[in-house]
Amino acid sequence: AQKVTQAQTEISVVEKEDVTLDCVYETRDTTYYLFWYKQPPSGELVFLIRRNSFDEQNEISGRYSWNFQKSTSSFNFTITASQVVDSAVYFCALSEALGAGSYQLTFGKGTKLSVIP
Amino acid sequence: DTEVTQTPKHLVMGMTNKKSLKCEQHMGHRAMYWYKQKAKKPPELMFVYSYEKLSINESVPSRFSPECPNSSLLNLHLHALQPEDSALYLCASSQAEKLFFGSGTQLSVL
Repeated sequence: AQKVTQAQTEISVVEKEDVTLDCVYETRDTTYYLFWYKQPPSGELVFLIRRNSFDEQNEISGRYSWNFQKSTSSFNFTITASQVVDSAVYFCALSEALGAGSYQLTFGKGTKLSVIP
Repeated sequence: DTEVTQTPKHLVMGMTNKKSLKCEQHMGHRAMYWYKQKAKKPPELMFVYSYEKLSINESVPSRFSPECPNSSLLNLHLHALQPEDSALYLCASSQAEKLFFGSGTQLSVL
């Protein structure tokens, strides 16, 4: 069975601070995909990043960066110089193939980030 | 067009009502999904359609009835719901392992 753990339930930071959201996963698959999604108060789940299990390179996209470490089964997300617009719930997720081109996402419980002006 | 569109955005219904939630995508994705999300919880998978056929039903009560009329549309028919069914209902479609989500329908059952 797959499992995703986001130990941080809520985090508050002051604007312009850096913040790291932790994600630890469990899977028996040798090939798998990890995701981060952002859910603002409007409700939509916004895709941020996909990483496959064979690619351990860290990735940076603007103020966002991701640290994938297979050895510790972690896929952490850092926001640099946080802004009020970053306030949202962030979900880490692990993908499992269901067959016939469909996939199931196992979500962590989410981390609510509040950025205070 | 990289959007998944859901209507309505908000819905209030009584326990005896029949209503439908609608979802549409024009990205050519052949897998579509319904998720249910209670407040302060992660989304939970309800149904999966693959090539317009129901492939996964996660033990969802029969008062929820999914329908996939064609490759772009996904409906969720609601009948005799209970107050505990109040939640955000999210539709998604996928290209390979990447899921695209709509903004959801916030459902309140009175």
